[in-house]
Amino acid sequence: AQSVAQPEDQVNVAEGNPLTVKCTYSVSGNPYLFWYVQYPNRGLQFLLKYITGDNLVKGSYGFEAEFNKSQTSFHLKKPSALVSDSALYFCAVRDGNRGSTLGRLYFGRGTQLTVWP
Amino acid sequence: KAGVTQTPRYLIKTRGQQVTLSCSPISGHRSVSWYQQTPGQGLQFLFEYFSETQRNKGNFPGRFSGRQFSNSRSEMNVSTLELGDSALYLCASSLGRGHQETQYFGPGTRLLVL
Repeated sequence: AQSVAQPEDQVNVAEGNPLTVKCTYSVSGNPYLFWYVQYPNRGLQFLLKYITGDNLVKGSYGFEAEFNKSQTSFHLKKPSALVSDSALYFCAVRDGNRGSTLGRLYFGRGTQLTVWP
Repeated sequence: KAGVTQTPRYLIKTRGQQVTLSCSPISGHRSVSWYQQTPGQGLQFLFEYFSETQRNKGNFPGRFSGRQFSNSRSEMNVSTLELGDSALYLCASSLGRGHQETQYFGPGTRLLVL
């Protein structure tokens, strides 16, 4: 079975400090991993994805994520947080070895990030 | 390119009614997936259409149905609405050819069932 866990419902950081939003996953085949962000009353915006290759993936708005196969993790990071980064963040996974899941993403429950001035 | 568009953005219905939501994918995208987002259940997959065929389906009752047209636009229908159907309904589009593809989401339709 495919699943994603985001162990923290909320993450609070001060502006200018580094931030980390955690994600662990479970798939039987090759993991394709994604991060999305959702602002209030909006849809999901794509931030970055890991398909293969370099374990450190860089994405939009200065975000990056580190893939760790042994720990089955894909944590989202940013060196210096901004107040405007405050939003709901979702991690998602797709199993690359299962054809039946081609059009489907499995999402975590989301982590509310609050950056205070 | 224009993004994924969804209409209407907001809907209020009463129990027992039915509703149809529409999604226009990014130009050239042939896959459209639908998700339901609620505070209690999070993001749940409803179904995916590719080239007018349902290719994948989540665990929702038969009251939830969808279709896709030849221009890749998609509609989803919910019949006999229940209070628990109140949610944000999101559609996402992609080319539909590989697991590595990114799904791009629309702004959603917020449905309130009274």
